[in-house]
Amino acid sequence: NAGVMQNPRHLVRRRGQEARLRCSPMKGHSHVYWYRQLPEEGLKFMVYLQKENIIDESGMPKERFSAEFPKEGPSILRIQQVVRGDSAAYFCASSPLSDNEQFFGPGTRLTVL
Amino acid sequence: ELKVEQNPLFLSMQEGKNYTIYCNYSTTSDRLYWYRQDPGKSLESLFVLLSNGAVKQEGRLMASLDTKARLSTLHITAAVHDLSATYFCAVAPNTGTASKLTFGTGTRLQVTL
Repeated sequence: NAGVMQNPRHLVRRRGQEARLRCSPMKGHSHVYWYRQLPEEGLKFMVYLQKENIIDESGMPKERFSAEFPKEGPSILRIQQVVRGDSAAYFCASSPLSDNEQFFGPGTRLTVL
Repeated sequence: ELKVEQNPLFLSMQEGKNYTIYCNYSTTSDRLYWYRQDPGKSLESLFVLLSNGAVKQEGRLMASLDTKARLSTLHITAAVHDLSATYFCAVAPNTGTASKLTFGTGTRLQVTL
């Protein structure tokens, strides 16, 4: 059973470009979570999704950030018009049920030049 | 808003010594997780604590949870170099979105020879 997969592992963007981060949950998991980790800090919750639904997006910045988890395919975190402050590691986690243990992917390290 | 505090933030200890990392949180919770993170890597699940008084041990690490005191501890016995990493606790709230983990700031452990 493959773990949570994320791609790309590293992403470099120039200011103003768009970043798309993908997350495929573990098999049998329908709950996906995105977290952001700034250097030398803990992880901060961004958004929680189930298939085709956003359940809690209270940690998402109001502008430029969006997330989806379509019926088919991976969950995508999209950052439009990136700025240097968006540089961080973005982790995706999945769980089979909403209050179960979350399993983390390897992360995508975004660098904005 | 749930707040999670860890201390110490940085811990340098000699091999063979014992030490405890503390995790305090601000609101009612019955679910607490401990993770390990190596530099540039993802989070590895160490312990899942689901009730007051829960105690779990794996090798040289032992974790406990006191929900009344809103405190969890991670005790390291006879440290070895391989334990050098950053350790995070994460708390899931009893109310609101059950899956929304709030992470502590992390404790960076360095075990010296």
